[in-house]
Amino acid sequence: AQSVAQPEDQVNVAEGNPLTVKCTYSVSGNPYLFWYVQYPNRGLQFLLKYITGDNLVKGSYGFEAEFNKSQTSFHLKKPSALVSDSALYFCAVRDMGNTDKLIFGTGTRLQVFP
Amino acid sequence: DTGVSQDPRHKITKRGQNVTFRCDPISEHNRLYWYRQTLGQGPEFLTYFQNEAQLEKSRLLSDRFSAERPKGSFSTLEIQRTEQGDSAMYLCASSLVGNSYEQYFGPGTRLTVT
Repeated sequence: AQSVAQPEDQVNVAEGNPLTVKCTYSVSGNPYLFWYVQYPNRGLQFLLKYITGDNLVKGSYGFEAEFNKSQTSFHLKKPSALVSDSALYFCAVRDMGNTDKLIFGTGTRLQVFP
Repeated sequence: DTGVSQDPRHKITKRGQNVTFRCDPISEHNRLYWYRQTLGQGPEFLTYFQNEAQLEKSRLLSDRFSAERPKGSFSTLEIQRTEQGDSAMYLCASSLVGNSYEQYFGPGTRLTVT
């Protein structure tokens, strides 16, 4: 069964510093991977995805993610964090059936301090 | 704004009452998903429609839950005889087949069962 794991419940970073939010996956076959962000009392906003192609994927708001097949990871990164990046981040993998449903990790809370 | 909308945003109900939520997807999207998110967890898949056909239901969806998508447009999710364990955020998402698997989420309906 497909799954993703987010090993950190919370990540703290100072504004202006680089940030990394970790995600590892377990799938049979080639993974389709996603990152979403959730602000308080809001739905999820799509950040970026990896389907195929370049291992470094660029997305919204200056975020990028690196797909690493050998380490089965898809870590989210940003070179310079902003206080406004503080939110809940979810990694997800597409189910390999016909529905395209997403299987989410438990989320990582990013706190950026001024 | 042509994003996914959900109504109501918040619902407080007493145990044993029935509730119904509505989701309006992005107009050209033919796939519609319902997810449930509890505190500290990622969203979990509940059910999925392609056009008006409900093609998959999670085991999380007990007999008290029913979903419809008449005419392949908006969708409703009804919970009968609500229980305190039904308290959660109910998220709706839509996507377009062949559009790189991205799902676009609504703001969610937060249900509190007292």
